Amino acid sequence: QSALTQPPSASGSPGQSVTISCTGTSSDVGGYNYVTWYQQHPGKAPKLIIYEVSKRPSGVPDRFSASKSANTASLTVSGLQAEDEADYYCSSFAGAKQMVFGGGTKLTVL
Amino acid sequence: EVQLVESGGGLVQPGGSLRLSCTASGFIFSNYWMDWVRQTPEKRLEWVANIMKDGGHKNYADSVKGRFTISRDNAKDSVYLQMDNLRAEDTGVYYCARDLDYHVNDFWGQGTLVTVSS
Repeated sequence: QSALTQPPSASGSPGQSVTISCTGTSSDVGGYNYVTWYQQHPGKAPKLIIYEVSKRPSGVPDRFSASKSANTASLTVSGLQAEDEADYYCSSFAGAKQMVFGGGTKLTVL
Repeated sequence: EVQLVESGGGLVQPGGSLRLSCTASGFIFSNYWMDWVRQTPEKRLEWVANIMKDGGHKNYADSVKGRFTISRDNAKDSVYLQMDNLRAEDTGVYYCARDLDYHVNDFWGQGTLVTVSS
């Protein structure tokens, strides 16, 4: 399985919104509603922030939202805050019990 | 509180072996699939393997199939990763993670570093 495609970087000022894309194929992102997003701060383990395309686990602020259209999933962070500066990874179920990750996007809060 | 604690990482020569362990607490371990996910030095995340609740079914990434073996002991709330014939490209931080289903990992350990180098 090839990795999903994410932009290497994204940025925004405090209070602004930023959207990170995650592009796959019909064999992964487009074929299943099992797209997941993780946030990772330096030196820490990834943290689940979105699952099944757009669902937020309890405790994740509603500033984080996500969607999917065809083979591309998107994560939007609204009302950017300094603590949102982190790496963001998407992943998708890819059939045959396999899973694939995106290359990660470094979000900088200016 | 859910906790996952990995151990067993270290420096190993190409072709060598390592066995990683992950001990869980704070939840009913036998109710969940468990995954191993690694992060390369370039910070890329790669799913490695996962194992069914009772250990009856296991899945592997193509890159490790035939070299790595995942197992679990529900009596010890532990999951393991036996890594044989290690290659330089296996270098990275190995995380164990709880799997809600379809590879949704809601809790992760702190990771254990594996370095494959001569």
